[in-house]
Amino acid sequence: DIQMTQSPSSLSASVGDRVTITCRASQNISRYLNWYQQKPGKVPKALIYAKSNLHGGVPSRFSGRGSGTDFTLTISSLQPEDFATYYCQQSYGNPRTFGQGTNVEVK
Amino acid sequence: QVQLQQWGAGLLKPSETLSLTCGVYGGSFGGYYWNWIRQSPGKGLEWIGEINYLGTTSYNPSLKSRVTISVDTSKIQFSLKLTSVTAADTAVYYCATLAVADGFDVWGQGTMVTVSS
Repeated sequence: DIQMTQSPSSLSASVGDRVTITCRASQNISRYLNWYQQKPGKVPKALIYAKSNLHGGVPSRFSGRGSGTDFTLTISSLQPEDFATYYCQQSYGNPRTFGQGTNVEVK
Repeated sequence: QVQLQQWGAGLLKPSETLSLTCGVYGGSFGGYYWNWIRQSPGKGLEWIGEINYLGTTSYNPSLKSRVTISVDTSKIQFSLKLTSVTAADTAVYYCATLAVADGFDVWGQGTMVTVSS
């Protein structure tokens, strides 16, 4: 199985901060990396697919980079609605696997 | 635009079989893989398995002995069965597609399944 490791597990930030979350795969997954946002009690929302492509309606303050084993999700200027948990997920091979999540909370 | 709507029993006793179905509305059924994912209370996301319209499946090895995913192309829906459930199977279960290279990523509304005696 491909293990996905996110860091940090949680972070505290303020509105307007630049936030970066890292996701590392245990083997090369090329560009097949997705990012999701989840708020309590809600369905995960797809943000980014294939490492850097924004889904429709996702604000441009979100961006994804990386390739191979190391990937990042950056929020350029954190907004109040961005406080949530973020998950990476690899679609390179089966079983599909998710990172453990990064909780972005109010500082 | 494709929407997924799921249904099934939300309360089970230990040793019973979990059964959920997901209907696909408003788009093509073929050419994609249809997934089941679960999330235990306060925990992360766990992939259960997937199926395509031809019935080709892949399962999470950790659940493979208890899981069956099937497809009904005439009804444009796919289903999950998980046998011999225990309290550890208590979770919100989602049906979903997961984007690969094309950005096709849609989730059902989720079903809370509780296993309790």
